[in-house]
Amino acid sequence: KQEVTQIPAALSVPEGENLVLNCSFTDSAIYNLQWFRQDPGKGLTSLLLIQSSQREQTSGRLNASLDKSSGRSTLYIAASQPGDSATYLCAVIYNQGGKLIFGQGTELSVKP
Amino acid sequence: GAVVSQHPSWVICKSGTSVKIECRSLDFQATTMFWYRQFPKQSLMLMATSNEGSKATYEQGVEKDKFLINHASLTLSTLTVTSAHPEDSSFYICSVSGGGTDTQYFGPGTRLTVL
Repeated sequence: KQEVTQIPAALSVPEGENLVLNCSFTDSAIYNLQWFRQDPGKGLTSLLLIQSSQREQTSGRLNASLDKSSGRSTLYIAASQPGDSATYLCAVIYNQGGKLIFGQGTELSVKP
Repeated sequence: GAVVSQHPSWVICKSGTSVKIECRSLDFQATTMFWYRQFPKQSLMLMATSNEGSKATYEQGVEKDKFLINHASLTLSTLTVTSAHPEDSSFYICSVSGGGTDTQYFGPGTRLTVL
């Protein structure tokens, strides 16, 4: 069964700290992997998309890495800010045009 | 990216009634639309995928007669929850894709509460 797991489920850090969110997937034959942000009661905002042939993607203070062989991805957030507080979801697709399979998310709280 | 809207943003209804949720792609030709359901503190679960002008493909365990999906045009899809019950209370999110890419653009979601 193709599953996505995110650890930790929740994380609280002081402002300014660097942090890492983890995502693992059971079937390593992914087509691509995405990280999303979801604010409470809102839809999803795409943060980064990594193709299966790529090792990492960067956008501002965010860096996502992909180790396809071990079935893992990490989202690194540098110099965290209170505005980063949200739930972060990772999702994989196994073939072009296929469905997104989501992890449960990590609820991040950055304290001022 | 595409701008996607959903209407209504929230709805409260009595048990046994039907509720229609609209998903609109405001500036994007959405050849494919997706409907997801998210229960509190849980992740998104795909309910169905629809291509414009075709019948929706439902995920295992999703009742197609209860969750009616119509993808009438490249900019509009509707999800109708028929004879809603309290267990149908959830956050429903749509997404759209098209233009030959896999990127999905998500709507803001609709909070359904069935009393």
